[in-house]
Amino acid sequence: QVQLVESGGGVVQPGGSLRLSCAASGFTFSSYGMHWVRQAPGKGLEWVAFIRYDGSNKYYADSVKGRFTISRDNSKNTLYLQMNSLRAEDTAVYYCAKDNPTTVHDYWGQGTLVTVSS
Amino acid sequence: AIRMTQSPSSFSASTGDRVTITCRASQGISSYLAWYQQKPGKAPKLLIYAASTLQSGVPSRFSGSGSGTDFTLTISCLQSEDFATYYCQQYYSYPEGTFGQGTKVEIK
Repeated sequence: QVQLVESGGGVVQPGGSLRLSCAASGFTFSSYGMHWVRQAPGKGLEWVAFIRYDGSNKYYADSVKGRFTISRDNSKNTLYLQMNSLRAEDTAVYYCAKDNPTTVHDYWGQGTLVTVSS
Repeated sequence: AIRMTQSPSSFSASTGDRVTITCRASQGISSYLAWYQQKPGKAPKLLIYAASTLQSGVPSRFSGSGSGTDFTLTISCLQSEDFATYYCQQYYSYPEGTFGQGTKVEIK
């Protein structure tokens, strides 16, 4: 069965950096695009970034463009999100989600919490 | 950017009720709309895609309708496990996808 397991969250100071990982299993990782979606505490869902199956194209929400970088290592079945210049408003649970062009996010990980605070 | 507006933001209902949640897009999105259910501390779960197609394994009491700018999610007979927050998402601008602000269904 499809499993997505995020890691790398934690507490970081404003202006700091963090790299999130998402380990995938149960499907052919190299054949699917992947997304990051976040949810601030008590708030709704916000799409963050997408990477195509082969890493050839990447897309970002305006709120993170220029600060976050999505990447993947198909040999390790792992998705990454490098987050730089972090702000308090980046505090959220970050989910990775498998892409499906018909349904968009058909499987989600359990999420990892990022807290940006001094 | 396409904006998604859900209504109501929250409401109370009883087990057995028929409930309807509305989602409106700021521009036409054809049928590129999904519905998700989220319970506290859990990841969202896909319920419906393409506005009206039930995801595999989702109970038939859930249904979706609409196209263009106006969409609805209906739960025909509310069960205890259905108390949760529901989100719509447009993917007309795929791979970007805008979510609605959510509708919390609480126990009356």
